[in-house]
Amino acid sequence: KNEVEQSPQNLTAQEGEFITINCSYSVGISALHWLQQHPGGGIVSLFMLSSGKKKHGRLIATINIQEKHSSLHITASHPRDSAVYICAALGAGSYQLTFGKGTKLSVIP
Amino acid sequence: SAVISQKPSRDICQRGTSLTIQCQVDSQVTMMFWYRQQPGQSLTLIATANQGSEATYESGFVIDKFPISRPNLTFSTLTVSNMSPEDSSIYLCSAATYNEQFFGPGTRLTVL
Repeated sequence: KNEVEQSPQNLTAQEGEFITINCSYSVGISALHWLQQHPGGGIVSLFMLSSGKKKHGRLIATINIQEKHSSLHITASHPRDSAVYICAALGAGSYQLTFGKGTKLSVIP
Repeated sequence: SAVISQKPSRDICQRGTSLTIQCQVDSQVTMMFWYRQQPGQSLTLIATANQGSEATYESGFVIDKFPISRPNLTFSTLTVSNMSPEDSSIYLCSAATYNEQFFGPGTRLTVL
C-alpha cells in the first residue's frame, strides 16, 4: 500500500512570497496529481505529472521519480491562493489514487 | 477532458435517514470512484463503481451502508444509509479514462 506524506500541514505566507509544498510517496507510481480544495470542499485538478516539470501560470509542479518526491511551487502568492493543496499518487497499473492529508495554505495580504 | 457534476453540493440530514448523491460525467469514462473525506482526514476510497454490476468496496466499507449504482458509463449514485454524525464528511466522485483522471466538486454532508 502506498503511503503519501505531505509537508507542511499548515502554511501561512505573506502575499508575494514564493511557496513550496512537498509530497513524498513510498511505492512506485504511474502518475501524481496535485489538487486544490477550496473551503467549500470543491476539488480542482491542478496538475498530473509522471516525470519532470509542469507549469501553469504561477504554479509549477515537479516530480523526481527516483526519489519518490514531488513539489508544488506557487510564485508571487496571492490571497486567492488560500486553499488546501492535496497530492495524490496513482499506482502503477491502477486507476486508484492514494491521497495525502493536504497542506492548508493561508496567504495574508 | 471530462467534467463531473455532483448533486447535491451540500446537505444537512437527520440521524437515521439516508441520502443519495448523484454523479454525472459529461462524457463516457472507464472507471468511476467514490471517496470520503472525514474532517481533518485525507480522502479515502469507498468503492469503485462498476457499470452494470455490483461495486467493489474497500476494506471498512460495506454495501448495506453505502449502496452504489452505476447504470451506464456516465452516471453513478452513492447512498449513505442510516446516517449518524460520524458520516459527516465530504463525498467525492472521481472518474478515469485510460490516461486521465477527473474529480467532481464534492458533496458536503452534515448529519445532526
